[in-house]
Amino acid sequence: EPEVTQTPSHQVTQMGQEVILRCVPISNHLYFYWYRQILGQKVEFLVSFYNNEISEKSEIFDDQFSVERPDGSNFTLKIRSTKLEDSAMYFCASAPLQGEYGYTFGSGTRLTVV
Amino acid sequence: GENVEQHPSTLSVQEGDSAVIKCTYSDSASNYFPWYKQELGKGPQLIIDIRSNVGEKKDQRIAVTLNKTAKHFSLHITETQPEDSAVYFCALNSGNTPLVFGKGTRLSVIA
Repeated sequence: EPEVTQTPSHQVTQMGQEVILRCVPISNHLYFYWYRQILGQKVEFLVSFYNNEISEKSEIFDDQFSVERPDGSNFTLKIRSTKLEDSAMYFCASAPLQGEYGYTFGSGTRLTVV
Repeated sequence: GENVEQHPSTLSVQEGDSAVIKCTYSDSASNYFPWYKQELGKGPQLIIDIRSNVGEKKDQRIAVTLNKTAKHFSLHITETQPEDSAVYFCALNSGNTPLVFGKGTRLSVIA
């Protein structure tokens, strides 16, 4: 069964450093998402991406965050200057179409900012 | 944006009993209602979904019911097994909006 692959599985970074989280969505999917989950809390939407541009973003997705699909396969989330409160699980997801279709999630990257 | 309330936050059942988790929402435009299972250290996995033109859907031991008038939908797991222990999230969207998730229910199946 096709999978969404995320790397690394765990990232520890110093406060103020930049991090890049990587995702390889399912190859024939067209819609890509980043969600985050602070420990023990619900899964929160960050950003959606389609046709090489952001289609929607939440208020969490401020100027410190950016996404890109540099090579047609990888989908990355960059946090420019990490803060302690950025510590969370970050999940990438993809879907074949928009609307009434479930997303396939990756296993996540646990980001720890120290 | 849309908000979805999920109850209970924790649920313990004896192996073999049924488990029911309920979510309520406010936006009548919501038309897609998936349920996800999240095991420890893993990402959410889609287990069943229902669209607004259907009232009930079943897949072996799991079923989802939707009451559009009352704006709630529920996950039903029958004959629970220890491997059903996980966190379950309801979610929904309307049209092309991103999925919005409930706060999750931690289900423990006691052998």
